[in-house]
Amino acid sequence: DAGVIQSPRHEVTEMGQEVTLRCKPISGHDYLFWYRQTMMRGLELLIYFNNNVPIDDSGMPEDRFSAKMPNASFSTLKIQPSEPRDSAVYFCASSLGTGTETQYFGPGTRLLVL
Amino acid sequence: GQQLNQSPQSMFIQEGEDVSMNCTSSSIFNTWLWYKQDPGEGPVLLIALYKAGELTSNGRLTAQFGITRKDSFLNISASIPSDVGIYFCAGPNAGNNRKLIWGLGTSLAVNP
Repeated sequence: DAGVIQSPRHEVTEMGQEVTLRCKPISGHDYLFWYRQTMMRGLELLIYFNNNVPIDDSGMPEDRFSAKMPNASFSTLKIQPSEPRDSAVYFCASSLGTGTETQYFGPGTRLLVL
Repeated sequence: GQQLNQSPQSMFIQEGEDVSMNCTSSSIFNTWLWYKQDPGEGPVLLIALYKAGELTSNGRLTAQFGITRKDSFLNISASIPSDVGIYFCAGPNAGNNRKLIWGLGTSLAVNP
């Protein structure tokens, strides 16, 4: 079975531009998580969904960030407008709703905002 | 809030050496997870621990759930170059076990 798929793998953009990150979770997984990783702060949970519904977005840094999950096989994380401090690696992860905490991560999107 | 402290922050060892790293918290955790992140990839679960005192192995890796439930350690025996990466401990948030608390990681470098 394919793992979590993320695109693009790398994104370089200029400050003020809109950035959209995409994720396809593992088929059958009903939880989807968006994380941000930086050297200073490590892995931070931004938002997670259960059955396509956002459950907790308390980690979303500000209104410039938004996430959607229109169906069970696709999610987006959008930053508009982007700022240099948004430069980080963004991971998507998915898991089964069986009570296990095991999360399966995608390869990440490396974002650089100039 | 809950925090996980990992040590050491980084390690540089010779191939064949054994490695030990740990994770501590001032809070009790009911589950301990150890993930490894290869360079340029996402974290991958290595070992999950669910009971205080539990000792679990996965090949050359061994992890233990501390009896106080406030710590865990991970050992790697006979290290090889592909062990290079960042090792994270994680545990579920007390208020919501779907949200994981993550340590900042132990970075391991192996000299062939």
